[in-house]
Amino acid sequence: DGGITQSPKYLFRKEGQNVTLSCEQNLNHDAMYWYRQDPGQGLRLIYYSQIVNDFQKGDIAEGYSVSREKKESFPLTVTSAQKNPTAFYLCASSYNRGGFNNEQFFGPGTRLTVL
Amino acid sequence: AQRVTQPEKLLSVFKGAPVELKCNYSYSGSPELFWYVQYSRQRLQLLLRHISRESIKGFTADLNKGETSFHLKKPFAQEEDSAMYYCALRGGSQGNLIFGKGTKLSVKP
Repeated sequence: DGGITQSPKYLFRKEGQNVTLSCEQNLNHDAMYWYRQDPGQGLRLIYYSQIVNDFQKGDIAEGYSVSREKKESFPLTVTSAQKNPTAFYLCASSYNRGGFNNEQFFGPGTRLTVL
Repeated sequence: AQRVTQPEKLLSVFKGAPVELKCNYSYSGSPELFWYVQYSRQRLQLLLRHISRESIKGFTADLNKGETSFHLKKPFAQEEDSAMYYCALRGGSQGNLIFGKGTKLSVKP
């Protein structure tokens, strides 16, 4: 464990509020990812970033926003526009694509509950 | 369309029995496939990848291009194998992972 951290572990939000989930890695990985994990749904990609100052929408980006100002950090903001935000959020990182070594390493996750 | 299908949500076996977790994929190119595992209260982690042709914790998985499958097998299940297992395909121009919905393996004593 270690290398990629997420905070907080649990987060509670009132409806209509934006919240930001933190993801930090010290693995010198180029790429970072945000997934949402729901029971019976597996992992669904929200956003990803291959390099600093660049990011791309995943399959379910609506209601979410990200930034990648530093290589080590990839925060995810869950906005009030996200209609069903209660879920378990996983952050991951990897070396860039192009080889067989770009295994994704996952953080411990943040469980977000909307009250 | 690129897709990973894990048909079983839950698989329950007794200790010592063989186990096979099924994974089928849809991909037009040359696939790169992985199995990830999530033990209770632990992080999601890579179990094995088809390119390595390795055996990890007694598990193996063979890529069958004809059947578009990448089933995970273990001849004798152990209680500590109980976990959530995800099959994943590297696809798309960005090389992102596409995950199946997962299979929960429960190994009973």
